[in-house]
Amino acid sequence: DTGVSQNPRHKITKRGQNVTFRCDPISEHNRLYWYRQTLGQGPEFLTYFQNEAQLEKSRLLSDRFSAERPKGSFSTLEIQRTEQGDSAMYLCASSLWDRGGGYTFGSGTRLTVV
Amino acid sequence: KNEVEQSPQNLTAQEGEFITINCSYSVGISALHWLQQHPGGGIVSLFMLSSGKKKHGRLIATINIQEKHSSLHITASHPRDSAVYICAVKAGNQFYFGTGTSLTVIP
Repeated sequence: DTGVSQNPRHKITKRGQNVTFRCDPISEHNRLYWYRQTLGQGPEFLTYFQNEAQLEKSRLLSDRFSAERPKGSFSTLEIQRTEQGDSAMYLCASSLWDRGGGYTFGSGTRLTVV
Repeated sequence: KNEVEQSPQNLTAQEGEFITINCSYSVGISALHWLQQHPGGGIVSLFMLSSGKKKHGRLIATINIQEKHSSLHITASHPRDSAVYICAVKAGNQFYFGTGTSLTVIP
């Protein structure tokens, strides 16, 4: 499978717990993006990496959220002290240096905070 | 006000009909994307446009940079086209997304 892989597909957690999601992009893609999508809405940009550098973060990304891409390959998104409002689909996408190529999205991780 | 507006929000069509989904945006962009999202949540990138028109099978996407408007057309629609279609624009290093058009094609 050469697509973007996200794990887990579904996560149910209790309010206040920490959760971590993983995204494995297409191997040669050097840009990786995280988005959040709530029911009935389009995706919202959270952050993106070029290689291992986190170049931009949305104001939506509160201090409870942290993302890493330590070796410029896979990325993790951690949410600390989850709140019910964090319930959403978290989507990852990757691309190759904006060079006319498309963006490939993963299938997403659906988080439910109870 | 959203940077990207799509219309209609919901669309029901009979199989075989010609479908048009519209997208207007208010920011300067380097590219516009049309995405397809199925009920499970997975997103597929259909087109990336910076000018003109692109065609892929029964799908056609056009963009008018001066008018800041794009359309996605589906010819000879089929029930398997039922999905949410999302317009996204790239402005600088950020993406702005429309809220999507939910399409249902009835056999």
